[in-house]
This record gives sequence, C-alpha cells and structure tokens, in this order.
Amino acid sequence: ETGVTQTPRHLVMGMTNKKSLKCEQHLGHNAMYWYKQSAKKPLELMFVYNFKEQTENNSVPSRFSPECPNSSHLFLHLHTLQPEDSALYLCASSQDWVPYNEQFFGPGTRLTVL
Amino acid sequence: QQQVKQSPQSLIVQKGGIPIINCAYENTAFDYFPWYQQFPGKGPALLIAIRPDVSEKKEGRFTISFNKSAKQFSLHIMDSQPGDSATYFCAACYAGGTSYGKLTFGQGTILTVHP
Repeated sequence: ETGVTQTPRHLVMGMTNKKSLKCEQHLGHNAMYWYKQSAKKPLELMFVYNFKEQTENNSVPSRFSPECPNSSHLFLHLHTLQPEDSALYLCASSQDWVPYNEQFFGPGTRLTVL
Repeated sequence: QQQVKQSPQSLIVQKGGIPIINCAYENTAFDYFPWYQQFPGKGPALLIAIRPDVSEKKEGRFTISFNKSAKQFSLHIMDSQPGDSATYFCAACYAGGTSYGKLTFGQGTILTVHP
C-alpha cells in the first residue's frame, strides 16, 4: 500500500449504530487530518493530530470521536449520527503541522446515515 | 472573513480551450494559496500553489495568476484535455493566529473538457 488509505470506502449506518472509519498513511508523516466533504460545500476541516496529539477540533459535535494511536493511523468513531452527517469523509496527512506542507488525501469513506 | 469564494460552480470547455477558475478572499493575512484537483472516487491532490510575493506561477499547462490588491487568484489550464475533467478547489491559509495552518477551501468547480 502506498499513500493514504481509508477503510471502508462505503458505509451505511442507522442513527443508533456505532461504527469507525480507519485511515492509514504510508508516507512517514507526522500530521493527520479528518475532513468532511458535502455536496456543493467547501471541504471542512474536522480534526488535526500532530505527533499523535490533537491540535485542532473545529467545533465538531461529540458524536464524532477521533483517535490517533500512532503517527500512521487515525480513526473516526461514529455514534448516534444524524442524516445530515451523510458525506464523504476524507483523511489527509502531511510531513507535520506546518501551513505550507502539502497535504496528501486518501480516497475517502462515503458515509450514508439512514 | 475566513471564506474563500470560488467561481464558477461548473465549467464546460472544448478540448484545447483555456478554462479559468477564479477565487476571491477577504483575509489579508492569507499567505499561501494552493489549488487541488479531485477526480471521481479519489481524494484531492495538490496541483499547484503560490505565495503572494509573486503574481504568476506556471507548472506545465497550469498557471496561477495572483492579484494581491484585488485579493483574487485564478487557475488557468492551457490546451485543456479531456483528462483534465475533474473538480478543482482553491484554498488559502496562513501561519498565524487561531487559524494556524488551516486550509480554507473554496466550494469547488466541476470542469468538463469535451473531446
């Protein structure tokens, strides 16, 4: 595997379910990000981890819970989601949390909340 | 003030045409302006980026034009090809304040290049 991988690629869940999204980067980077991409809206930054420490929580509801066990893996735990949470969730990584470092994105998880 | 406004939402050109995508920002502290390209089923990928100390940057067929006084920047694709059909996002960020390093994205432009 190369670059940034995300699993699953598609997920359908009910509002009472608990599920997790997984991201893995094979680039030796130290910063990892979660973004939400909704139709016709700008990408929204959700969380940033730098050297496994959370450095940004962009006012994300508590039903989204990130976890970063090491610099290569990032999880997004989901519980009691709402239909408006349906979107493409993108993971990205960069060398570290410096503004001008290129961010490398994974292919995303397409989430549908019923 | 953190917004980046992108236009048009969609754009259709013939092969060989020069599509132009425009972005405008308000925060004068922004000092890094990347463009990302996203193909269906893929994540965005960095295409080209510019800092405000230059007015133009070219990489292959892709050119960014930057107008600091107007707070606008644009992407030009020379000799466009069907393979350029994708969604393009402009973005901006700066290295200071509470928005340190956060990329603020435009809404995206869906480009279709007909053969």
